[in-house]
Amino acid sequence: KAGVTQTPRYLIKTRGQQVTLSCSPISGHRSVSWYQQTPGQGLQFLFEYFSETQRNKGNFPGRFSGRQFSNSRSEMNVSTLELGDSALYLCASSLDTGDTQYFGPGTRLTVL
Amino acid sequence: EDKVVQSPLSLVVHEGDTVTLNCSYEVTNFRSLLWYKQEKKAPTFLFMLTSSGIEKKSGRLSSILDKKELFSILNITATQTGDSAVYLCAGVNQAGTALIFGKGTTLSVSS
Repeated sequence: KAGVTQTPRYLIKTRGQQVTLSCSPISGHRSVSWYQQTPGQGLQFLFEYFSETQRNKGNFPGRFSGRQFSNSRSEMNVSTLELGDSALYLCASSLDTGDTQYFGPGTRLTVL
Repeated sequence: EDKVVQSPLSLVVHEGDTVTLNCSYEVTNFRSLLWYKQEKKAPTFLFMLTSSGIEKKSGRLSSILDKKELFSILNITATQTGDSAVYLCAGVNQAGTALIFGKGTTLSVSS
């Protein structure tokens, strides 16, 4: 079974721009969660989607948003990028909320 | 506020050594604790622990949970250079809505 895939793998943007990241979960998984990983803060939860609905949201500003499609693929959008948004963005899929999450390889975002 | 604390933050050992990584947690309505290994890329799942005192084992790795004292340990015996990685533990609440991660323990195994 194919694992979680994320595109693009690397991205360089400048301050003020916006970016969209994509995540395709493991086949059959309906829950997709997004995390931000930085050296200082570690892994921090952004939000989780299940059946196209956001089930939970972490403590991130409204510039961070997401959505999920009917095929369970998910996108994350960050608007008005700031230098501090530079991070590895990981998505994880699971069968349902609370089940073991399997991570994708991440998207490395650099904001200049 | 829910939190997970791992110790030590980093560890350097020689091949063949046995290591113990610690994870303490404060998670509202605790449901489970997960261990992940992260090398250069995505965290890979190791163990899920839900019950106290029951050891989970996979090869040279084992883990146990103490729900009374709110901690878990991950043991690695006969370490190999391939064990070098960041080991993450995460707490999950009953709603299962989010993983609360610790900062991780960076393990370096030298040959």
